[in-house]
Amino acid sequence: DAKTTQPNSMESNEEEPVHLPCNHSTISGTDYIHWYRQLPSQGPEYVIHGLTSNVNNRMASLAIAEDRKSSTLILHRATLRDAAVYYCLFQDDYKLSFGAGTTVTVRA
Amino acid sequence: DTEVTQTPKHLVMGMTNKKSLKCEQHMGHRAMYWYKQKAKKPPELMFVYSYEKLSINESVPSRFSPECPNSSLLNLHLHALQPEDSALYLCASRRDSPYNEQFFGPGTRLTVL
Repeated sequence: DAKTTQPNSMESNEEEPVHLPCNHSTISGTDYIHWYRQLPSQGPEYVIHGLTSNVNNRMASLAIAEDRKSSTLILHRATLRDAAVYYCLFQDDYKLSFGAGTTVTVRA
Repeated sequence: DTEVTQTPKHLVMGMTNKKSLKCEQHMGHRAMYWYKQKAKKPPELMFVYSYEKLSINESVPSRFSPECPNSSLLNLHLHALQPEDSALYLCASRRDSPYNEQFFGPGTRLTVL
């Protein structure tokens, strides 16, 4: 299984951007990079996914390195509701394999 | 309707009890999943159903028995559980393309006494 590496935790101030890195040096050419987040006492929630090109949606942006060995999830203006565990992972056919994730704390 | 519902929200059971967890979605998704999540840990995949057939079993003990009676429902039957099986059990569903996102339910918090 392809593995991802993320920092354990990150802190941010409200209204400031948050850049969440993820290393995935063993990724194969056809693996999509997915990001999910899990707010306290809730199930995981899809954030964004991409293959090679940078992606934007209403929640976040995903910047993928040219060699695809790393990616960065960007929350453009953090709010208190963005405090969660953020998971970077691959979807291998039908399987999602979650790593430890990054716990994001947002200070008011 | 983009929701996955799970019942019950909380369940306390003894080691000799038999109980069932229920998951429902009406998004027309043909892939459904059970995950187990211990406190402060990431979710771990247990089972995957594709078109109502079990396609992946991640070496889960037989005291957990999944069932997919139709395309909208997924059950997890529990029997003779151990205290270490106490966890949050999450259900998820997805359209049948592997690159689409999974939708997760809020989970059932299970405590085994």
